[in-house]
Amino acid sequence: QVQLQESGPGLVKPSQTLSLTCTVSGASISSVSYYWSWIRQPAGKRPECIGRIYTSGATNYNPSLKSRVVISQDKSKNQFSLSLSSVTAADTAVYYCARAGVDCSNGLCYTWFDSWGQGTLVTVSS
Amino acid sequence: DIVMTQSPDSLAVSLGERATINCKSSQSVLYGSNNKNYLAWYQQKPGQPPKVLIYWASTRESGVPDRFSGSGSGTDFTLTISSLQAEDVAVYYCQQYYGTQWTFGQGTKVEI
Repeated sequence: QVQLQESGPGLVKPSQTLSLTCTVSGASISSVSYYWSWIRQPAGKRPECIGRIYTSGATNYNPSLKSRVVISQDKSKNQFSLSLSSVTAADTAVYYCARAGVDCSNGLCYTWFDSWGQGTLVTVSS
Repeated sequence: DIVMTQSPDSLAVSLGERATINCKSSQSVLYGSNNKNYLAWYQQKPGQPPKVLIYWASTRESGVPDRFSGSGSGTDFTLTISSLQAEDVAVYYCQQYYGTQWTFGQGTKVEI
């Protein structure tokens, strides 16, 4: 059974860089069968996809965040990471890592999020 | 990006009664090549991550009670809880995975 666990600072100062890591157990991030994603959710609001990474290293970012986001992977540790630069109070949210399946059998390769971490609250404040 | 809009924002339903949540996408999420709707429904309880209930618009995830059902196609979808139980109190989200950017509805809060 796959488990995902977010880790990183819970408090980040404005203009600094938010850095989080997701440690995956029970599945390999080297698998061709999954995308590995970061999602955030401000209090009382809908989840927002930040971006995802595939085993090849290919990434896809939310256009609204693209200039500030980098998602990377460390296959030796079975981890993937999020870096969000120049943060403001608007970046305060619960940050989740999650897994979505890959199924290219009919052209479109996307599927739903089948596993999530428990989430970590990141507050941007001085 | 595809915009997902749910209705209502909240609803109160008596125990044992039916709850119906609607979700509308700004463009069709039906893929013609496989006739599948790229839409999922999630349940989120306080302090927990979302949990998938339904995918492909109408396929129930393993272990999800059969009182949960999904329907619809194209741009209009519905999640139905046939007989509301106390443990179903939660916020429900629809999500499309058709476009390159995956997006969620604003959520519907279900209360007793």
